[in-house]
Amino acid sequence: EAGVTQFPSHSVIEKGQTVTLRCDPISGHDNLYWYRRVMGKEIKFLLHFVKESKQDESGMPNNRFLAERTGGTYSTLKVQPAELEDSGVYFCASSKLATGEQFFGPGTRLTVL
Amino acid sequence: SQQGEEDPQALSIQEGENATMNCSYKTSINNLQWYRQNSGRGLVHLILIRSNEREKHSGRLRVTLDTSKKSSSLLITASRAADTASYFCATVRSSYKLIFGSGTRLLVRP
Repeated sequence: EAGVTQFPSHSVIEKGQTVTLRCDPISGHDNLYWYRRVMGKEIKFLLHFVKESKQDESGMPNNRFLAERTGGTYSTLKVQPAELEDSGVYFCASSKLATGEQFFGPGTRLTVL
Repeated sequence: SQQGEEDPQALSIQEGENATMNCSYKTSINNLQWYRQNSGRGLVHLILIRSNEREKHSGRLRVTLDTSKKSSSLLITASRAADTASYFCATVRSSYKLIFGSGTRLLVRP
């Protein structure tokens, strides 16, 4: 069974540009989560989808971040416009049950110059 | 304030020794999970312990949970060089989102 995949693995963009990160969860997992780790800080929750619905987006830092999960399969996280402080590693995770183990992808390392 | 603070921040041991990492948190939880991250890789789930459990084993891993002290420990017995990684505890409250601590960097010297 394929694990959670994320694309791209690395992205380097300039301040003010737009970047879209993609996450493909494990097939059959209704729950999908986004987390990020900025330099030197803890891994922080961004939001949680159940199928295509946003269950909890309390961790989204501001309205420059937009997450979607059309059709309840893969998800995208768009940052527009990117700022320097958005640099970090963005992780996606999925789970079958909301209370269950979350399986993480390898992350996308975003660098904003 | 933050949940899930790990102690120590870094730990260096010899192969074959045991490694103990501690995690403290501040609010009531549904469960607590431990994750490992190898350099440049994703997070790997190690073990989940529920709030009504006190101890759990998985292979060379032993996790304890003391809800009265709001703390958990992860013990890795007979450590191997391949155990070198960062270890994170993460708490889950009612909303199912993971709240991570800052992690412990473990180095196992061959």
